[in-house]
Amino acid sequence: GNSVTQMEGPVTLSEEAFLTINCTYTATGYPSLFWYVQYPGEGLQLLLKATKADDKGSNKGFEATYRKETTSFHLEKGSVQVSDSAVYFCALSEWDDYKLSFGAGTTVTVRA
Amino acid sequence: GAGVSQTPSNKVTEKGKYVELRCDPISGHTALYWYRQSLGQGPEFLIYFQGTGAADDSGLPNDRFFAVRPEGSVSTLKIQRTERGDSAVYLCASSHGLASSTDTQYFGPGTRLTVL
Repeated sequence: GNSVTQMEGPVTLSEEAFLTINCTYTATGYPSLFWYVQYPGEGLQLLLKATKADDKGSNKGFEATYRKETTSFHLEKGSVQVSDSAVYFCALSEWDDYKLSFGAGTTVTVRA
Repeated sequence: GAGVSQTPSNKVTEKGKYVELRCDPISGHTALYWYRQSLGQGPEFLIYFQGTGAADDSGLPNDRFFAVRPEGSVSTLKIQRTERGDSAVYLCASSHGLASSTDTQYFGPGTRLTVL
């Protein structure tokens, strides 16, 4: 079956630091890959996605590249802000499916 | 426009009681999903509706869980004879209904269910 493994948290950073959250996956076919973010007191929202190998998703300064050879989709941001404090979830769905399979989430706290 | 809304935001009940959780999807979205998120975990799929019908209920943990969407819009997740292990945040999401991995799901804020 499908599964997603992401870096355990919590992660605490200073403002303007570089952030990377590792995500690897197991899938039977050719999945689409997603990063969702949950800000404090808010619902899950899509941050970025990539639907095929070597695609790069990007949004709000975050980037992730779909690496089929390493089955990875690591999230990166070059300079984080306090407002990036949130829980980040890596997820996948198979190309012909709709169900999302999520990782356990990584809590990120950015200090001023 | 309005996003996905869920009511109540919090529900506390006693073991053995019946509960209903409501989801109001984004207007025009034909696909609706329920997920359950236990503490410290990512959401887990429960059931998927395309229109009024449950297209996939493979994630429902047992027959105490049931969901309906009678008019293809609002959905209700029903849990009978609640158990303490049912305590979790129940998330609803909706999408345009392409039923593919490219169809973005929009999530509601969730209902936090606590079974005492």
